Amino acid sequence: DVKVTQSSRYLVKRTGEKVFLECVQDMDHENMFWYRQDPGLGLRLIYFSYDVKMKEKGDIPEGYSVSREKKERFSLILESASTNQTSMYLCASSLIVFGQPQHFGDGTRLSIL
Amino acid sequence: GENVEQHPSTLSVQEGDSAVIKCTYSDSASNYFPWYKQELGKRPQLIIDIRSNVGEKKDQRIAVTLNKTAKHFSLHITETQPEDSAVYFCAATPGYSTLTFGKGTMLLVSP
Repeated sequence: DVKVTQSSRYLVKRTGEKVFLECVQDMDHENMFWYRQDPGLGLRLIYFSYDVKMKEKGDIPEGYSVSREKKERFSLILESASTNQTSMYLCASSLIVFGQPQHFGDGTRLSIL
Repeated sequence: GENVEQHPSTLSVQEGDSAVIKCTYSDSASNYFPWYKQELGKRPQLIIDIRSNVGEKKDQRIAVTLNKTAKHFSLHITETQPEDSAVYFCAATPGYSTLTFGKGTMLLVSP
């Protein structure tokens, strides 16, 4: 069974802080993704990565960066947190094969005060 | 890029009724269409998916239909139960990595 683990379920940070969200998957998946989930807006892709050290912008990359130094780990970085980045953040992974679903972590609910 | 519209945003049914959620997509190259269920406070989980070479797929009380000509696909849940209450997301992709998600449908099944 695929396991995608996010480092924190709840996180509270202050405006201007640098925030790191960590995600680890145990199924040797090539693809990893970071989404932001807000009520009524669905799942919006922030960044994704299809290989170590590779990254691609998603639909809403502004204010975020990512790091993938190892295949199993994908980090989301808020360079200078702002209150409008308060949200639920979901990590996912998948094989780079046609028709393979994405597997999600439990999410991190981030509050920026 | 791909755009996925999902309707309705909320759906209330009585236990035992059927529920239908519809999605339309814009990119005719899209060829994989998964559906996810997200219970309150939990992760989205895949419940069924369909590929473009198939028109319909069933798994017990759940079925998905795809009309490539009209670029729409639908989720059908029969004999709904209270535990079917959740947010359901459709998605589409033309490729091997990213998915474009609909905004979700909150399904409420009343006993």
